[in-house]
Amino acid sequence: AQKVTQAQTEISVVEKEDVTLDCVYETRDTTYYLFWYKQPPSGELVFLIRRNSFDEQNEISGRYSWNFQKSTSSFNFTITASQVVDSAVYFCALSESTGNQFYFGTGTSLTVIP
Amino acid sequence: EAQVTQNPRYLITVTGKKLTVTCSQNMNHEYMSWYRQDPGLGLRQIYYSMNVEVTDKGDVPEGYKVSRKEKRNFPLILESPSPNQTSLYFCASSLGGQQETQYFGPGTRLLVL
Repeated sequence: AQKVTQAQTEISVVEKEDVTLDCVYETRDTTYYLFWYKQPPSGELVFLIRRNSFDEQNEISGRYSWNFQKSTSSFNFTITASQVVDSAVYFCALSESTGNQFYFGTGTSLTVIP
Repeated sequence: EAQVTQNPRYLITVTGKKLTVTCSQNMNHEYMSWYRQDPGLGLRQIYYSMNVEVTDKGDVPEGYKVSRKEKRNFPLILESPSPNQTSLYFCASSLGGQQETQYFGPGTRLLVL
């Protein structure tokens, strides 16, 4: 079973629109960590956020915000007033307290149209 | 500058010809890991290492080997590459383990003919 599901394969929005990227995870651990990474067209992986399972506060960083809801096992990412530079593939990821592995979702490719 | 380096960045080889992709980090990180990225599949973990001389399989270890003889280096070895190992490979490291933020190398694009 997929540990991290990103159901949206591709999304296109017009510049300045808001967009939400969905992430649903699956774990039996009570302690776990969730991450988002960005992969721009240049190919590198850029860390965006890390959140532990005990911190359900939403986080905002500039135009980026994250909504963590344990009740629905979701960790969604919203970009407000999208810009062309936001065009990238975004990956959600999970690590658990048991075991030492790291699990990525399949990614969501975001295109922001000028 | 704190970084994870990989070499080579691009490699074209033929089936069965052994190759090694090197990975090095200068951050004194304990945890290192290799991933492959394929279209529609995201990144999948191949092997990881919790510390020197401690390595373990990820989700897709078949056809790969690793070693961790020094803390800073974590080479990925393909003893007999096959076309299904054509992929984009990333090395990553983190300070204390998989629960910490991982920092990624620039990637190695491998084509096996």
